[in-house]
Amino acid sequence: GQNIDQPTEMTATEGAIVQINCTYQTSGFNGLFWYQQHAGEAPTFLSYNVLDGLEEKGRFSSFLSRSKGYSYLLLKELQMKDSASYLCAVYHGYSTLTFGKGTMLLVSP
Amino acid sequence: DVKVTQSSRYLVKRTGEKVFLECVQDMDHENMFWYRQDPGLGLRLIYFSYDVKMKEKGDIPEGYSVSREKKERFSLILESASTNQTSMYLCASSLRAGRRGEKLFFGSGTQLSVL
Repeated sequence: GQNIDQPTEMTATEGAIVQINCTYQTSGFNGLFWYQQHAGEAPTFLSYNVLDGLEEKGRFSSFLSRSKGYSYLLLKELQMKDSASYLCAVYHGYSTLTFGKGTMLLVSP
Repeated sequence: DVKVTQSSRYLVKRTGEKVFLECVQDMDHENMFWYRQDPGLGLRLIYFSYDVKMKEKGDIPEGYSVSREKKERFSLILESASTNQTSMYLCASSLRAGRRGEKLFFGSGTQLSVL
């Protein structure tokens, strides 16, 4: 079976830095995705990691450690529009993606 | 930009009805997926297809079937809708079957209520 864990909710203030963790235990691993989903909208792609290390993309960075089954999404200089659900998903098997339950991030002024 | 279009944004059906959810993508993607999303449970894969007329069960296929007669269209069918199928249904597509890092593009979702 596949098991992906991430915190249910997090809160932070505008301008701060927040780290959203994701741990996984899956049969097979072909990479890890982070998606952002605003309320009532479709998930949109943020990042993809397949090798260990940090991938930086503007205010967002994502880290992967395959040996530890661990990833995090780092959001810097938080803005109100970053309030959303953040989904960790592991790519395994033949083109299938299994999602964690998502972390709801609330950014306050 | 890739466009994944789901035919209805909101749908209300009665228990026992046959329900069709339609999804169309316009970028010649090989893979198409149906997920449902429920509070506290996240996104769960129902079925996927990596080619026309091909289908594979996901994690929760019970009570659902799918059809892919054309490459761009993937339909989810609830043969006899039940109240526990009230959910947000999300269709997604990706470019190539079996290739690493192929990100999913999602439709806007269909909120289905079964009364």
